[in-house]
Amino acid sequence: QVQLQQSGPGLVKPSQTLSLTCAISGDSVSSDNAAWNWIRQSPSRGLEWLGRTYYRSKWYNDYAVSMKGRITVNPDTSKNQFSLQLNSVTPEDTAVYYCTNEGDRGYFHPWGQGTLVTVSS
Amino acid sequence: DIQMTQSPSTLSASVGDRVTITCRASQSISTWLAWYQQKPGKAPKLLIYKASSLGSGVPSRFSGSGSGTEFTLTINSLQPDDFATYYCQQYNFSPRTFGQGTKLEIK
Repeated sequence: QVQLQQSGPGLVKPSQTLSLTCAISGDSVSSDNAAWNWIRQSPSRGLEWLGRTYYRSKWYNDYAVSMKGRITVNPDTSKNQFSLQLNSVTPEDTAVYYCTNEGDRGYFHPWGQGTLVTVSS
Repeated sequence: DIQMTQSPSTLSASVGDRVTITCRASQSISTWLAWYQQKPGKAPKLLIYKASSLGSGVPSRFSGSGSGTEFTLTINSLQPDDFATYYCQQYNFSPRTFGQGTKLEIK
């Protein structure tokens, strides 16, 4: 049974970098039928897909167009986890951030527990 | 991006009722649709995938139907645990997109 455990700070200052980590148990970040995603949720934007990393003989990344230039999703094979970095944050990036596995199916399951990240000075 | 529109936004019902939530896609997504349940302070939980396939451990009172652009989630004999917010999500196209949610409230 796959489980995802998120970690990272809940408060980030404007213009700084938001960094979150998602530790995987029950599967491998290098699995060739998994895709490791970040999704956020806010009252104004609802559920918004941000980006993903996955391994298919080599590593790939996809990012939401709205995030491009600011986002990086990286695997860490040594710790079996993956991370989210979002640069130059503003208060509009305040949201609950979730990590989740899409696999090769397209729907998301399971999900991490969520991390409320507030962008404020 | 594919727009997903749910109706209604809020639904009031009683324990034992049968309720239906609708999700419409801005273009055809075949049956590549999932439904999730979310309770306050918790992550979304997968209920239905491929429009009508029940997720693991999901009670049989939940069912899904539809194809193309119109889909429904039906809950038979509502239980107290079912009062939550429900989301649809398409996975025929990238980026994956979600509906805005339907909040199911106790009448």
